[in-house]
Amino acid sequence: GAVVSQHPSRVICKSGTSVKIECRSLDFQATTMFWYRQFPKKSLMLMATSNEGSKATYEQGVEKDKFLINHASLTLSTLTVTSAHPEDSSFYICSASPILAGVGDEQFFGPGTRLTVL
Amino acid sequence: AQKVTQAQTEISVVEKEDVTLDCVYETRDTTYYLFWYKQPPSGELVFLIRRNSFDEQNEISGRYSWNFQKSTSSFNFTITASQVVDSAVYFCALSEAGANSKLTFGKGITLSVRP
Repeated sequence: GAVVSQHPSRVICKSGTSVKIECRSLDFQATTMFWYRQFPKKSLMLMATSNEGSKATYEQGVEKDKFLINHASLTLSTLTVTSAHPEDSSFYICSASPILAGVGDEQFFGPGTRLTVL
Repeated sequence: AQKVTQAQTEISVVEKEDVTLDCVYETRDTTYYLFWYKQPPSGELVFLIRRNSFDEQNEISGRYSWNFQKSTSSFNFTITASQVVDSAVYFCALSEAGANSKLTFGKGITLSVRP
């Protein structure tokens, strides 16, 4: 089956620092990757859609300068939380859509990254 | 705009009971896709099922079954003879055909199965 990894799985950082989270499709190529955010006991909220080789499309209310997304290859997308603050603490989950996927096809989810900002 | 409503927030049952998780959706598209995911305490989302809007056949997979009713815009999920391992948060999600496969999730239902 299609596997998506995320690194790191857990990160604790000080307020004001930047944190980079990697999302990799291990056994398939993905033209599109999605970044979600999940607060404790809450639903997943889509932050942005990342397409390889182009700028990410951010959802309304998501600060693009705060959450930098780079999709440099067909197997890697990164999310950088810049100048992190305690309110950025959350569970960040990525998903990847295979290169030949049709609309509505299953997305494959990573295991998530738990970010804690002190 | 698309919307998914999971009115139940928490359900607690005793092992071997049957339980139904409700999902109601809203969309203006005629072509759309519905999903159910399971999120155990580890946090990783586990894909359970995908159904497109043109396929109203109910589906059964082991102890799991899904009832898709377009007339009521519902896509309910039933677990038969629940087990402790079924304890998790269950999300219903919707993807519209013209939305680049973006998923809109419901708020999730926390299912606790007691021994």
